[in-house]
Amino acid sequence: DVKVTQSSRYLVKRTGEKVFLECVQDMDHENMFWYRQDPGLGLRLIYFSYDVKMKEKGDIPEGYSVSREKKERFSLILESASTNQTSMYLCASSPSDGRKAFFGQGTRLTVV
Amino acid sequence: GQSLEQPSEVTAVEGAIVQINCTYQTSGFYGLSWYQQHDGGAPTFLSYNALDGLEETGRFSSFLSRSDSYGYLLLQELQMKDSASYFCAVRVNTNAGKSTFGDGTTLTVKP
Repeated sequence: DVKVTQSSRYLVKRTGEKVFLECVQDMDHENMFWYRQDPGLGLRLIYFSYDVKMKEKGDIPEGYSVSREKKERFSLILESASTNQTSMYLCASSPSDGRKAFFGQGTRLTVV
Repeated sequence: GQSLEQPSEVTAVEGAIVQINCTYQTSGFYGLSWYQQHDGGAPTFLSYNALDGLEETGRFSSFLSRSDSYGYLLLQELQMKDSASYFCAVRVNTNAGKSTFGDGTTLTVKP
């Protein structure tokens, strides 16, 4: 079975902390994505990567950065967490044609 | 900018047929996908249309009209387990398959 694994299911952090969300896929996919999901707002793309060390901003990149040092791993970094970054974060991967994405179970982050 | 419109809620009874529409205005178009998400779960892929017409996969079908910037997901023989949120997503570029998602439609299936 194909798998996208996010390191934490639930996370509570304090305002101002640096936060790392990790995502690993075992499908040898070229593309990886980070989304945040808030009630009524669907999935909004934060950053995506189409190759190792390659990254592009999505629709809402402010306050976030990413790292892709290995093909299977894509990390989302909140440089200084703020309460408005409390959300569900979803990682996904897809093959190069981008037709079908596989999602992780999500990390529910609460910033207090 | 990019925008996708889909109804926020749909209710239907078990055994019925329901259609969830999606209209889009995007800067690029390479395909329309549909995903299902149960409460507390991850979105899972249902279908992808790159060309006009109907694609059928079991009880689910998806339709695309590129000239109308419109698509729909058709669910037949509804079951209780089909109660979930359904998202349409437009692939807006060829590089990395970047997609823009709609806000989702919550389908409630009643007995």
